[in-house]
Amino acid sequence: AQSVTQLDSQVPVFEEAPVELRCNYSSSVSVYLFWYVQYPNQGLQLLLKYLSGSTLVKGINGFEAEFNKSQTSFHLRKPSVHISDTAEYFCAVSDYNQGGKLIFGQGTELSVKP
Amino acid sequence: NAGVTQTPKFQVLKTGQSMTLQCAQDMNHNSMYWYRQDPGMGLRLIYYSASEGTTDKGEVPNGYNVSRLNKREFSLRLESAAPSQTSVYFCASKVERGGGTEAFFGQGTRLTVV
Repeated sequence: AQSVTQLDSQVPVFEEAPVELRCNYSSSVSVYLFWYVQYPNQGLQLLLKYLSGSTLVKGINGFEAEFNKSQTSFHLRKPSVHISDTAEYFCAVSDYNQGGKLIFGQGTELSVKP
Repeated sequence: NAGVTQTPKFQVLKTGQSMTLQCAQDMNHNSMYWYRQDPGMGLRLIYYSASEGTTDKGEVPNGYNVSRLNKREFSLRLESAAPSQTSVYFCASKVERGGGTEAFFGQGTRLTVV
Protein backbone atom coordinates (compact mmCIF):
# COMPACT_ATOMS: atom_id res chain seq x y z
CA ALA A 1 0.00 0.00 0.00
CA GLN A 2 1.06 3.54 -0.68
CA SER A 3 2.59 5.47 2.23
CA VAL A 4 3.97 8.94 2.89
CA THR A 5 6.65 9.97 5.37
CA GLN A 6 7.24 13.52 6.48
CA LEU A 7 10.66 13.52 8.05
CA ASP A 8 10.23 16.48 10.40
CA SER A 9 7.34 16.82 12.82
CA GLN A 10 8.26 20.41 13.76
CA VAL A 11 10.31 23.03 11.93
CA PRO A 12 11.02 26.33 13.71
CA VAL A 13 12.47 29.12 11.58
CA PHE A 14 12.97 32.85 11.79
CA GLU A 15 11.03 35.23 9.59
CA GLU A 16 12.60 35.83 6.13
CA ALA A 17 14.71 32.66 6.40
CA PRO A 18 14.39 29.89 3.79
CA VAL A 19 12.62 26.67 4.69
CA GLU A 20 12.39 23.13 3.35
CA LEU A 21 9.79 20.61 4.50
CA ARG A 22 10.69 17.07 3.54
CA CYS A 23 8.41 14.38 2.16
CA ASN A 24 9.12 10.88 0.90
CA TYR A 25 6.62 8.42 -0.53
CA SER A 26 6.71 4.71 -1.24
CA SER A 27 7.52 3.90 -4.80
CA SER A 28 4.82 3.48 -7.38
CA VAL A 29 4.53 3.92 -11.10
CA SER A 30 1.52 6.19 -11.26
CA VAL A 31 1.37 8.62 -8.37
CA TYR A 32 0.20 12.15 -7.99
CA LEU A 33 1.66 14.29 -5.22
CA PHE A 34 0.17 17.13 -3.22
CA TRP A 35 1.01 19.57 -0.46
CA TYR A 36 -1.83 20.88 1.69
CA VAL A 37 -1.73 23.56 4.38
CA GLN A 38 -3.86 23.74 7.51
CA TYR A 39 -4.10 26.98 9.45
CA PRO A 40 -5.21 26.74 13.10
CA ASN A 41 -8.78 25.51 13.56
CA GLN A 42 -9.40 25.31 9.83
CA GLY A 43 -9.70 22.65 7.17
CA LEU A 44 -7.01 21.84 4.63
CA GLN A 45 -6.37 23.79 1.46
CA LEU A 46 -4.22 22.89 -1.51
CA LEU A 47 -0.80 24.54 -1.82
CA LEU A 48 0.38 22.78 -4.96
CA LYS A 49 0.30 19.50 -6.82
CA TYR A 50 2.42 17.43 -9.17
CA LEU A 51 0.63 15.41 -11.84
CA SER A 52 3.19 15.15 -14.64
CA GLY A 53 5.59 17.25 -16.67
CA SER A 54 8.06 19.67 -15.10
CA THR A 55 9.44 18.36 -11.84
CA LEU A 56 9.44 21.83 -10.27
CA VAL A 57 5.97 22.85 -9.26
CA LYS A 58 4.99 26.32 -8.08
CA GLY A 59 2.07 26.88 -5.74
CA ILE A 60 0.32 29.61 -3.82
CA ASN A 61 1.95 31.95 -1.31
CA GLY A 62 5.42 31.60 -2.88
CA PHE A 63 5.84 27.89 -2.16
CA GLU A 64 7.35 25.43 -4.60
CA ALA A 65 8.14 21.73 -4.57
CA GLU A 66 10.40 19.46 -6.55
CA PHE A 67 9.45 15.96 -7.60
CA ASN A 68 12.41 13.56 -7.54
CA LYS A 69 11.43 10.17 -8.88
CA SER A 70 14.76 8.44 -8.17
CA GLN A 71 14.65 9.50 -4.51
CA THR A 72 10.84 9.19 -4.26
CA SER A 73 10.73 12.63 -2.68
CA PHE A 74 8.56 15.73 -3.00
CA HIS A 75 10.11 18.37 -0.76
CA LEU A 76 8.40 21.73 -0.21
CA ARG A 77 10.44 24.95 -0.19
CA LYS A 78 10.04 28.66 0.29
CA PRO A 79 12.97 31.07 -0.07
CA SER A 80 11.72 33.55 2.55
CA VAL A 81 8.99 32.77 5.07
CA HIS A 82 6.55 35.11 6.79
CA ILE A 83 4.88 34.95 10.17
CA SER A 84 1.63 34.17 8.33
CA ASP A 85 3.14 30.92 7.01
CA THR A 86 2.89 29.44 10.50
CA ALA A 87 0.66 26.39 9.98
CA GLU A 88 0.73 22.63 9.63
CA TYR A 89 1.74 21.25 6.25
CA PHE A 90 0.72 17.88 4.90
CA CYS A 91 2.22 15.93 2.03
CA ALA A 92 -0.18 13.55 0.31
CA VAL A 93 -0.05 10.97 -2.45
CA SER A 94 -2.75 9.62 -4.69
CA ASP A 95 -2.25 6.41 -6.59
CA TYR A 96 -4.43 5.96 -9.63
CA ASN A 97 -4.05 2.17 -9.36
CA GLN A 98 -5.56 2.30 -5.87
CA GLY A 99 -8.67 4.15 -6.92
CA GLY A 100 -7.27 7.60 -6.37
CA LYS A 101 -7.39 7.48 -2.57
CA LEU A 102 -5.54 10.39 -1.01
CA ILE A 103 -3.05 9.18 1.62
CA PHE A 104 -1.45 11.73 3.95
CA GLY A 105 1.82 12.01 5.79
CA GLN A 106 2.02 12.75 9.49
CA GLY A 107 2.27 16.51 9.02
CA THR A 108 4.99 19.10 9.70
CA GLU A 109 4.30 22.01 12.00
CA LEU A 110 6.03 25.12 10.66
CA SER A 111 6.56 27.80 13.26
CA VAL A 112 7.87 31.15 12.01
CA LYS A 113 9.32 33.39 14.67
CA PRO A 114 10.00 37.14 14.41
CA ASN B 1 -20.72 28.50 -3.11
CA ALA B 2 -20.46 26.63 0.22
CA GLY B 3 -18.09 23.83 -0.93
CA VAL B 4 -18.00 21.07 1.70
CA THR B 5 -20.18 21.57 4.79
CA GLN B 6 -19.85 19.47 7.93
CA THR B 7 -22.18 19.40 10.91
CA PRO B 8 -21.83 19.64 13.82
CA LYS B 9 -18.61 21.59 14.38
CA PHE B 10 -18.22 20.39 17.98
CA GLN B 11 -19.66 17.44 19.88
CA VAL B 12 -19.14 15.82 23.26
CA LEU B 13 -20.37 12.24 23.70
CA LYS B 14 -20.42 9.82 26.57
CA THR B 15 -18.88 6.40 26.04
CA GLY B 16 -21.41 4.13 24.39
CA GLN B 17 -23.52 6.88 22.84
CA SER B 18 -24.13 6.99 19.12
CA MET B 19 -24.07 9.87 16.68
CA THR B 20 -23.92 10.70 12.99
CA LEU B 21 -21.60 13.25 11.44
CA GLN B 22 -23.09 14.89 8.40
CA CYS B 23 -21.28 16.03 5.27
CA ALA B 24 -22.65 17.67 2.15
CA GLN B 25 -20.94 19.08 -0.93
CA ASP B 26 -22.40 21.31 -3.61
CA MET B 27 -19.69 20.89 -6.27
CA ASN B 28 -21.23 17.86 -8.01
CA HIS B 29 -18.22 15.74 -7.06
CA ASN B 30 -18.33 11.97 -7.44
CA SER B 31 -15.86 10.97 -4.71
CA MET B 32 -16.23 11.70 -1.00
CA TYR B 33 -14.01 10.81 1.96
CA TRP B 34 -13.98 10.74 5.74
CA TYR B 35 -10.69 11.26 7.59
CA ARG B 36 -9.74 11.54 11.23
CA GLN B 37 -6.89 13.78 12.37
CA ASP B 38 -4.89 12.97 15.49
CA PRO B 39 -1.73 14.72 16.72
CA GLY B 40 1.41 13.30 15.13
CA MET B 41 -0.53 10.94 12.89
CA GLY B 42 -1.68 13.20 10.10
CA LEU B 43 -5.00 12.42 8.44
CA ARG B 44 -6.05 8.79 8.26
CA LEU B 45 -8.70 7.61 5.86
CA ILE B 46 -11.72 6.02 7.54
CA TYR B 47 -14.06 5.33 4.60
CA TYR B 48 -14.51 6.64 1.12
CA SER B 49 -17.12 6.59 -1.60
CA ALA B 50 -15.98 6.65 -5.21
CA SER B 51 -19.49 7.30 -6.47
CA GLU B 52 -23.10 7.38 -5.36
CA GLY B 53 -24.11 3.95 -4.09
CA THR B 54 -20.59 2.68 -3.33
CA THR B 55 -18.48 2.78 -0.18
CA ASP B 56 -15.13 1.25 0.73
CA LYS B 57 -13.01 0.90 3.85
CA GLY B 58 -9.95 3.04 4.33
CA GLU B 59 -7.06 2.66 6.78
CA VAL B 60 -9.01 2.84 10.06
CA PRO B 61 -12.66 1.75 9.52
CA ASN B 62 -13.27 -0.14 12.78
CA GLY B 63 -16.01 1.40 14.92
CA TYR B 64 -17.50 3.42 12.07
CA ASN B 65 -20.16 3.05 9.40
CA VAL B 66 -20.95 5.29 6.46
CA SER B 67 -23.84 6.04 4.15
CA ARG B 68 -23.65 7.71 0.77
CA LEU B 69 -27.20 9.01 0.83
CA ASN B 70 -27.02 10.65 -2.58
CA LYS B 71 -24.39 12.37 -4.67
CA ARG B 72 -24.25 15.35 -2.31
CA GLU B 73 -24.25 13.70 1.11
CA PHE B 74 -21.91 11.27 2.87
CA SER B 75 -22.50 10.58 6.56
CA LEU B 76 -20.29 8.92 9.17
CA ARG B 77 -21.87 7.04 12.07
CA LEU B 78 -20.41 6.02 15.39
CA GLU B 79 -22.68 3.30 16.79
CA SER B 80 -21.06 3.06 20.23
CA ALA B 81 -18.56 5.83 20.84
CA ALA B 82 -15.27 5.07 22.61
CA PRO B 83 -12.66 7.46 24.04
CA SER B 84 -10.25 6.30 21.30
CA GLN B 85 -12.57 7.97 18.80
CA THR B 86 -11.86 11.40 20.27
CA SER B 87 -10.49 13.22 17.24
CA VAL B 88 -11.09 15.86 14.62
CA TYR B 89 -13.04 14.48 11.67
CA PHE B 90 -12.78 15.88 8.18
CA CYS B 91 -14.96 15.24 5.19
CA ALA B 92 -13.56 15.81 1.70
CA SER B 93 -14.76 15.53 -1.86
CA LYS B 94 -13.21 15.53 -5.30
CA VAL B 95 -14.37 15.36 -8.86
CA GLU B 96 -13.38 11.88 -9.93
CA ARG B 97 -12.13 8.51 -8.82
CA GLY B 98 -8.78 9.12 -10.46
CA GLY B 99 -5.81 10.51 -8.61
CA GLY B 100 -4.96 13.80 -10.22
CA THR B 101 -7.66 16.11 -8.97
CA GLU B 102 -7.73 18.30 -5.91
CA ALA B 103 -9.69 17.30 -2.81
CA PHE B 104 -11.78 19.96 -1.06
CA PHE B 105 -12.15 19.75 2.70
CA GLY B 106 -14.79 20.77 5.18
CA GLN B 107 -13.96 22.75 8.31
CA GLY B 108 -13.92 19.68 10.55
CA THR B 109 -15.90 18.25 13.46
CA ARG B 110 -14.14 18.20 16.81
CA LEU B 111 -15.45 15.16 18.71
CA THR B 112 -14.68 14.39 22.34
CA VAL B 113 -15.76 11.08 23.89
CA VAL B 114 -15.71 11.02 27.68
